[in-house]
Amino acid sequence: EPEVTQTPSHQVTQMGQEVILRCVPISNHLYFYWYRQILGQKVEFLVSFYNNEISEKSEIFDDQFSVERPDGSNFTLKIRSTKLEDSAMYFCASRKGLPRNTGELFFGEGSRLTVL
Amino acid sequence: AQKITQTQPGMFVQEKEAVTLDCTYDTSDPSYGLFWYKQPSSGEMIFLIYQGSYDQQNATEGRYSLNFQKARKSANLVISASQLGDSAMYFCAPPSGGNEKLTFGTGTRLTIIP
Repeated sequence: EPEVTQTPSHQVTQMGQEVILRCVPISNHLYFYWYRQILGQKVEFLVSFYNNEISEKSEIFDDQFSVERPDGSNFTLKIRSTKLEDSAMYFCASRKGLPRNTGELFFGEGSRLTVL
Repeated sequence: AQKITQTQPGMFVQEKEAVTLDCTYDTSDPSYGLFWYKQPSSGEMIFLIYQGSYDQQNATEGRYSLNFQKARKSANLVISASQLGDSAMYFCAPPSGGNEKLTFGTGTRLTIIP
């Protein structure tokens, strides 16, 4: 069964360092998302991406964050200068179409980021 | 902005009993339905069930069913014959926005007692 894969599963970094989280969405999917979940809290939307551009972003997704899909398969989230409060689980997700037509949003297993 | 309310932060249920998890939501677009996801302690997000807003009948998927009341904007998840493996966090999430991102509620932590 096709799945969304994320790397690394866990990354520890020093405050102020750049971090890149990588995702390989399901191959025929068109809509891509990043979410984050601070330990013990709810899953929060960061950004959605469609047709090679950001379609929506939340207030959390400030200038320190960026996304790109450089080669048609990988979908990356970059945090330029990490802060302690960026420590969280980051989930990548993808779907084939809009939920009214195709339903499910498929999630990766997450990348846990720890900022020291 | 979307407001999703899950009023039960935690629930304890005896194995084999049915359980209902509440969810109400506030959306400006009546055409959107609602998703439920399960997050076990291992952390992954597992899709359970989707209710389309214009579906005539409540969605069912195995032991999962939705009690969808569109006028009240509520879509409660019913798990029948609960099992120990049902212990997890449960999130409801209506889609919103042009790309229909999911906005998650605060979740309900369900613990099944043997």
